[in-house]
Order: sequence, then structure tokens, then C-alpha cells
Amino acid sequence: GNSVTQMEGPVTLSEEAFLTINCTYTATGYPSLFWYVQYPGEGLQLLLKATKADDKGSNKGFEATYRKETTSFHLEKGSVQVSDSAVYFCALRNKEYGNKLVFGAGTILRVKS
Amino acid sequence: GAVVSQHPSRVICKSGTSVKIECRSLDFQATTMFWYRQFPKKSLMLMATSNEGSKATYEQGVEKDKFLINHASLTLSTLTVTSAHPEDSSFYICSAILPSGGHTDTQYFGPGTRLTVL
Repeated sequence: GNSVTQMEGPVTLSEEAFLTINCTYTATGYPSLFWYVQYPGEGLQLLLKATKADDKGSNKGFEATYRKETTSFHLEKGSVQVSDSAVYFCALRNKEYGNKLVFGAGTILRVKS
Repeated sequence: GAVVSQHPSRVICKSGTSVKIECRSLDFQATTMFWYRQFPKKSLMLMATSNEGSKATYEQGVEKDKFLINHASLTLSTLTVTSAHPEDSSFYICSAILPSGGHTDTQYFGPGTRLTVL
């Protein structure tokens, strides 16, 4: 079946530190991959996406590369800010699963000033 | 980007009453909307897929008679929690697909509705 595994949090970093949140997936076919961010008390916002192997999604300094050989889509940012504190969800969507999003468990990121 | 709204943002109700939550796509037409439930510090659980003009498709384990979904127009889907009980207390989130041609369609999420059943 389709599933997404994310590293457990919370991840606590100091401002300007480098961020990596690992995400691996299991899927048949060629899924699209997404990172969503949820700020406290809000709904999810699409952060970035990649639709095919070797694509790099990027937005607001975050980036993730679709690696089919390792079935991974790790999220990175070179220098985090306090305002990046949120919950980050990795997700996949697979045509063979009716185009429904399958989410990972989410990773809490806390950035200290 | 596309905007999806939900109303109300918070609702508190007594056990046994019904609650209706609205999900609207504000600047696009959405033939497909989704309803999710999120438990504290957990991921989103897909409850059902709402298709305009047809019956909703429910995920396994979700009671369709308890969670009534109506997708009356291309911009509005409603979720009614019938005879709500404290265990139905949760954060309910809807999303709508902005069509761009099959595989690259993007899902936009509403801000969520916090339901508390006393």
C-alpha cells in the first residue's frame, strides 16, 4: 500500500541552524510528493511539491528533492527562523490510490531565538 | 494561491446535538473536496471524499450516517456531525482540489474547525 514515514519530533533548533526533516515513502507507481506546514491553530498550507523523480521543490528557503532510488523526500532549510516553528507533514498522492493524499505523522519543529 | 474557507472556526455543542461545518472554495470551483479529522498531535485522517452532485465516498471505519456530507455546489461542501458525542471532539479540516490537469492537481486546505462536544 501507500504510506509515508517521517522522523519523530519534536525537533528543537536554534535560530540560523540547518534543518533536515527526513521523509520516506512506500508507494506503487509514480506518486507526487508534498510537504505541508501547519502553524499553531491554523490549517495546512502547501509548502512545496515535486511530481517526478529528481524534481526539486522549493519555497521560502525550504527545499526537498524527489529521490526515487531511496524513496525519500527530505525537507531541508539552510537557516531556520523562529517563525518557522510549526508542524511539518510529508505527504504523497498516487493516481493508483484515487489521488487521495496520504500523510506522514507530522514533525514538530521548534526554533529558539 | 487558492483560498478555502471553513465556518465556523470553533464550535461548542452539547452531547446529542448536530453540528454543521461548511467548506467553501472562494476563488475557484472544486468538483472534489475532502474531509479530514485531526487528533491532537497526530496526522490527518481522511474521512471522506466529497464529489459535487454525487454521494460522498467514505473511508473504511467512518460512519456515513454519523458524518453526513453534502456537496451541493462547486464551491460548497458541508459536513454534519449528527448526534455528536464527546469522542467526536476534534479538529476537522476540509480541502479542495484546484484542477490543473490530472496528476498535478493541487489540494488546498481550509483553516479547520475545532469541535468540542460537552
